[in-house]
Amino acid sequence: LAKTTQPISMDSYEGQEVNITCSHNNIATNDYITWYQQFPSQGPRFIIQGYKTKVTNEVASLFIPADRKSSTLSLPRVSLSDTAVYYCLVGDTGRRALTFGSGTRLQVQP
Amino acid sequence: DAGVIQSPRHEVTEMGQEVTLRCKPISGHDYLFWYRQTMMRGLELLIYFNNNVPIDDSGMPEDRFSAKMPNASFSTLKIQPSEPRDSAVYFCASSFARGGQETQYFGPGTRLLVL
Repeated sequence: LAKTTQPISMDSYEGQEVNITCSHNNIATNDYITWYQQFPSQGPRFIIQGYKTKVTNEVASLFIPADRKSSTLSLPRVSLSDTAVYYCLVGDTGRRALTFGSGTRLQVQP
Repeated sequence: DAGVIQSPRHEVTEMGQEVTLRCKPISGHDYLFWYRQTMMRGLELLIYFNNNVPIDDSGMPEDRFSAKMPNASFSTLKIQPSEPRDSAVYFCASSFARGGQETQYFGPGTRLLVL
């Protein structure tokens, strides 16, 4: 399984762009990169998924360099409601046993 | 769709009692996962099913834990006998995986406290 490393915590202010980088040096050819968000007292929620280059949806962007050994989740203009834990996962659905890790705790201040 | 439904939302029990957690996955999803989350260990995958068949239960902590999926719309996670160290939030998730891509949809969780 590809192990992921991400910062334990980050602080930001409302309106700023937040970039959270995840390292996954031993990512396999068939692995996808997925990010989840978890609010207190709730289950994780899917944010975005990608395989290479850049993916964008209405919530975030995901940047993946050519070597795929890292990825960056970009949250544009964060608000207080973006305060949550963000998990980076790497895995192949064929192997299934995805590991969430400890995640990055993002605190957005007014 | 109502999403993944879990019951009960909260459970308080005494050590030694049997606890049964229930999950209804999203209709049409062919994978179902049980996770446990604690402050110390984070979010751990316990077991997952594909088309109602258990595929990997290597995360189940010990024989006191068992999980079943009798049909595509229902799964249970049972702890017998329960112990205080089983206190955690238990999440059920379901997914529909195609072509290597997958999104897991999580339920609201069951907060279990074993006294």
